Amino acid sequence: QVQLQESGPGLVKPSETLSLTCTVSGGSISTHYWTWIRQSPGKGLEWIGDIFYTGTPTYNPSLKSRLTISVDTSKKQFSLNLASVTAADTAVYYCARVDTIDAVDLFDYWGQGILVTVSS
Amino acid sequence: DIQMTQSPSSLSASVGDRVIITCRASQSITRYLNWYQQKPGKAPKLLIYTTSTLQSGVPSRFSGGGSGTDFTLTISGLQPADSATYYCQQSYSAPRTFGQGTKLEIK
Repeated sequence: QVQLQESGPGLVKPSETLSLTCTVSGGSISTHYWTWIRQSPGKGLEWIGDIFYTGTPTYNPSLKSRLTISVDTSKKQFSLNLASVTAADTAVYYCARVDTIDAVDLFDYWGQGILVTVSS
Repeated sequence: DIQMTQSPSSLSASVGDRVIITCRASQSITRYLNWYQQKPGKAPKLLIYTTSTLQSGVPSRFSGGGSGTDFTLTISGLQPADSATYYCQQSYSAPRTFGQGTKLEIK
């Protein structure tokens, strides 16, 4: 059973960088794409970006200028860095596995989520 | 970006009822549509993918349909455990986008 666990600080100051890590267990990190999704009261569920184990990311254009997603296969982890955060980046951040069935991408395994608050 | 619009935003129904939640895309997404269920304090859970295929372990009272721009999630024979918020999500093009959610309350 694949399991994902987010980790990182729950409080980030405005203008600083939000950094989160997702650790994958119970399966290989080298067989799927992996993704970050966030959920805020104001914007609902928002897809942030994907990465494959080879390290090629795909970003949501609305966040691309501030976003870096990377993967460390030796640790079975992938990470999110979001720079220059504001209060609008306050959300629950989820990591998830992307599966592709009949050419349709879907998110089949999710972490429990981590609340990140941007505040001074 | 493809906009996904769900209706209604919330509804209340009784145990045993049948409910239908609709999801409309701002352009055709053929059958690239998934549904998720989210309970308070939990991550979303995949229910249905490619419009109508049930994820493993999902009860058969859930069904999905539609194509192009209009899709439905039907729950037949509502159970108390179905109280949750339901989201549609398109995988036709990047960025992947979600509907705003439909909150289902069981009376």
